[in-house]
Amino acid sequence: ILNVEQSPQSLHVQEGDSTNFTCSFPSSNFYALHWYRWETAKSPEALFVMTLNGDEKKKGRISATLNTKEGYSYLYIKGSQPEDSATYLCAFQPLSGTYKYIFGTGTRLKVLA
Amino acid sequence: ETGVTQTPRHLVMGMTNKKSLKCEQHLGHNAMYWYKQSAKKPLELMFVYSLEERVENNSVPSRFSPECPNSSHLFLHLHTLQPEDSALYLCASSQDAGAGQPQHFGDGTRLSIL
Repeated sequence: ILNVEQSPQSLHVQEGDSTNFTCSFPSSNFYALHWYRWETAKSPEALFVMTLNGDEKKKGRISATLNTKEGYSYLYIKGSQPEDSATYLCAFQPLSGTYKYIFGTGTRLKVLA
Repeated sequence: ETGVTQTPRHLVMGMTNKKSLKCEQHLGHNAMYWYKQSAKKPLELMFVYSLEERVENNSVPSRFSPECPNSSHLFLHLHTLQPEDSALYLCASSQDAGAGQPQHFGDGTRLSIL
């Protein structure tokens, strides 16, 4: 069974704080790791697709790193703003079944003004 | 016009009804997906279509029947559903299937089974 875990489940931070959360996935059988942001009443929005060990990607104040050998990815938000409030999802794509996308339950972030 | 459009947004149906969910993408993508989101559970992949051919069926009960008449349209036909099928159903598309590309999601259909 392929399992994807995200932690923490939820997080409250003050505006201006930096924060990070974790996605853990099977270290073997890796093909790609996806990050999405899902705001309430909207559709999930793709942030990053990461494929290489050591990858680091950045989009504005949000960045992500990837360690495929130990099976984890970190998502960082620098200087959190209220509009960053959302659920952040990661999805693991295995090499043995690249049509499969296995999602974690997400980290719900609330940024307080 | 949004990239992936789902209709209806909300649907309430009895267990003996037959209804269909519709998804349309305007992105020129070759792959389309159906997901189920139940309360407090992760997004669960149901079906994957690549160039109108089903390439993944994730052990979904036969009361859910997908149809992909062309690469822009995807349907989910529903028949004799159970209360536990109440969930948010999301459609997504990507340029190709299985190629490590980001998926573009619709806003979903909130389904309630009475």
